[in-house]
Amino acid sequence: GAGVSQTPSNKVTEKGKYVELRCDPISGHTALYWYRQSLGQGPEFLIYFQGTGAADDSGLPNDRFFAVRPEGSVSTLKIQRTERGDSAVYLCASSRRGGPTDTQYFGPGTRLTVL
Amino acid sequence: EDKVVQSPLSLVVHEGDTVTLNCSYEVTNFRSLLWYKQEKKAPTFLFMLTSSGIEKKSGRLSSILDKKELFSILNITATQTGDSAVYLCAVANNNDMRFGAGTRLTVKP
Repeated sequence: GAGVSQTPSNKVTEKGKYVELRCDPISGHTALYWYRQSLGQGPEFLIYFQGTGAADDSGLPNDRFFAVRPEGSVSTLKIQRTERGDSAVYLCASSRRGGPTDTQYFGPGTRLTVL
Repeated sequence: EDKVVQSPLSLVVHEGDTVTLNCSYEVTNFRSLLWYKQEKKAPTFLFMLTSSGIEKKSGRLSSILDKKELFSILNITATQTGDSAVYLCAVANNNDMRFGAGTRLTVKP
């Protein structure tokens, strides 16, 4: 596609529910990143995929958060037993090869609200 | 601990003014510094800087990196209302990319 897309754009859920957030990276980009952005803050790194594998998941805050990228393209971020503190904008980015000198291009994000 | 600090946190100017946004960092194994513009949700890429002293320029925007003093500046000349946004600075090392909190720029007509 022309850019990174994310669905849904907004998600409202109740405390304790399970949610899935989807990211479609730019076609041909092997690296995919998930970030979380709280109000008034910069994006905070969650997890980085190189192809199908999670190359770095050190940013996932706890074991309620999990992400997959089974075919090396689309990725899904999964949050179990959501808490009010999980409310944030979840941003996805992709880059051609990955690595610290490869530009990351961001999607529009999913705004998650946990009531 | 690695950190990226942006200043000012917010700035209000009038159209035609020139602004300078600051980003200082303390990051182990520095590899690159990036500037993004965030208007609604998606940060859009502006510049990537890897070498000191080399100015990157795109229209009215320019940026430079000082790896000795560990900072970067983003300049916007002849500001327009469409420049109103949050400007994010991010620093990448071998492992991940760390963002500052951003500078919210408001350009009034």
